[in-house]
Amino acid sequence: GNSVTQMEGPVTLSEEAFLTINCTYTATGYPSLFWYVQYPGEGLQLLLKATKADDKGSNKGFEATYRKETTSFHLEKGSVQVSDSAVYFCALVEDQGAQKLVFGQGTRLTINP
Amino acid sequence: NAGVTQTPKFRILKIGQSMTLQCTQDMNHNYMYWYRQDPGMGLKLIYYSVGAGITDKGEVPNGYNVSRSTTEDFPLRLELAAPSQTSVYFCASKGGFATNEKLFFGSGTQLSVL
Repeated sequence: GNSVTQMEGPVTLSEEAFLTINCTYTATGYPSLFWYVQYPGEGLQLLLKATKADDKGSNKGFEATYRKETTSFHLEKGSVQVSDSAVYFCALVEDQGAQKLVFGQGTRLTINP
Repeated sequence: NAGVTQTPKFRILKIGQSMTLQCTQDMNHNYMYWYRQDPGMGLKLIYYSVGAGITDKGEVPNGYNVSRSTTEDFPLRLELAAPSQTSVYFCASKGGFATNEKLFFGSGTQLSVL
């Protein structure tokens, strides 16, 4: 079946450091890919998305490129801030009919000042 | 604009008790979902609905039931609570038919079964 694998956390960085969170997927076809973010005490919210190969999603300084050849969708940010501390989830949409999301296990990111 | 509202935010149950987690959305969305989030794990789909009167099982439906009598409401019922159901529960909704449309999540219900 379809699945999403993220790099193990937690990840701790200093402010202004470069961030990469790895995400790879297994799927039939070419599903849309997403990054969701969960801030403490809140529900998930969409950070960015890409719908086809070589698409780049971007938002709030974060970027991710849909790589068909490596089945990856790695999240990057050039200079992180304390306010980026959160849990990040990579996901794909599995089923055309019900459009269910399949999530990775999440990566907890902590940014120290 | 309230979005997706879940109640309660926290609840402690004893083994064997029952409860209903409430979820309502005011965006007239067709698709609604219930996920559970266990520590260090991704979200697992419990049940989903593609419209009023239509529900279906997700990955982990055992021990749960749902109904969708209106577009707005999608309650999740636990009939005989077990410690394995200790988790954070999220309700989500999506309006359109395009697969790349985002989900709107509620703020979650933290449930402990002791």
